[in-house]
Amino acid sequence: GNSVTQMEGPVTLSEEAFLTINCTYTATGYPSLFWYVQYPGEGLQLLLKATKADDKGSNKGFEATYRKETTSFHLEKGSVQVSDSAVYFCALIRRNNNDMRFGAGTRLTVKP
Amino acid sequence: EAGVTQFPSHSVIEKGQTVTLRCDPISGHDNLYWYRRVMGKEIKFLLHFVKESKQDESGMPNNRFLAERTGGTYSTLKVQPAELEDSGVYFCASSQEIGDSPLHFGNGTRLTVT
Repeated sequence: GNSVTQMEGPVTLSEEAFLTINCTYTATGYPSLFWYVQYPGEGLQLLLKATKADDKGSNKGFEATYRKETTSFHLEKGSVQVSDSAVYFCALIRRNNNDMRFGAGTRLTVKP
Repeated sequence: EAGVTQFPSHSVIEKGQTVTLRCDPISGHDNLYWYRRVMGKEIKFLLHFVKESKQDESGMPNNRFLAERTGGTYSTLKVQPAELEDSGVYFCASSQEIGDSPLHFGNGTRLTVT
């Protein structure tokens, strides 16, 4: 079946450090891939997405590239800020239905 | 536009009691979904409405959970009777179309069963 595996947290970084949160997926066909973020006290927000192989999603300095050969969609940011502290969820959705599957979430804490 | 709203934001009930969660999707979104996250684990799909019809309820854990969407607008999720393992955060989401469009999530309802 379809599933998403993301690196376990929590992740603690200093401000301006480089961030990578790994995400791999298992899916039939060609799913669309997403990163959602949940800031403290808020709901899930779409951070970025990619709908086909080699697409790069980007937003707020975050990037992730859809790698079909490695079935991965790792999230990266070159220089994190304190305001990036949140829980990050990798997710996929199969075309023709909206059965969205999520990873377990990775809590990121950025210290000044 | 107003986003997806959920009520209440928090609920604390005793085992055996009943709780009803409400979700108001974004206006015009036919697709409405319920998800939950238990004990810091992955967010799991519960069910999917298209308008007032249940398109997929394969994720509903058992018959203590009942979801409705009368009139195809807001939805309720009732847990009766609640058990300890039902504690978690229940998210509602809506979308306009099926396919690549992302889901718009509410802030969630944190349910604690004691």
